[in-house]
Amino acid sequence: AQSVTQLGSHVSVSEGALVLLRCNYSSSVPPYLFWYVQYPNQGLQLLLKYTSAATLVKGINGFEAEFKKSETSFHLTKPSAHMSDAAEYFCAVSRIIFGKGTRLHILP
Amino acid sequence: DTEVTQTPKHLVMGMTNKKSLKCEQHMGHRAMYWYKQKAKKPPELMFVYSYEKLSINESVPSRFSPECPNSSLLNLHLHALQPEDSALYLCASSQEVASGGGRYFGPGTRLLVL
Repeated sequence: AQSVTQLGSHVSVSEGALVLLRCNYSSSVPPYLFWYVQYPNQGLQLLLKYTSAATLVKGINGFEAEFKKSETSFHLTKPSAHMSDAAEYFCAVSRIIFGKGTRLHILP
Repeated sequence: DTEVTQTPKHLVMGMTNKKSLKCEQHMGHRAMYWYKQKAKKPPELMFVYSYEKLSINESVPSRFSPECPNSSLLNLHLHALQPEDSALYLCASSQEVASGGGRYFGPGTRLLVL
């Protein structure tokens, strides 16, 4: 069985600060891993994906994530937060099993 | 064209109405999906179509009836819904069901059942 756990249902960072959203997965086979973003009243947008190529994956809007097999993690980072990054972020594994989501708040 | 479109954007219906949600993609994807998303929750998979055939039904009540007329279109027919069915309904597509490319999501239809 596969699952994902997102640590922190809400994360607040100051504008310009580092964004770190945590995701841990459980999978008995090499997983495909994804991060999606959902802005208010919109659908989901694919930010980035890991498909067993490079372990450091770069996505859109300056986000990146690193696959760490030893830690079963796929944390999402962005060096400098922007107000427009405020949204709900979902980590997902293989057949699109979603984590519960993390709401990112950006403080001015 | 990397877009999945959904109509209507908003829908209000009574419990005795019949309505349909529509989804369209022109990326040549052969897998299409319906998800239901309640407020402050992740999307929940409802149906999966692969090559225009229903491959997964996640024990969805029969008042929801999916249809895939062709490889670009996906419909969700609604009948005798309950107020608890009010949610955001998301359509998505991918190259194949098992592809690692991720799903492309539409903007959703926000449904309110009165």
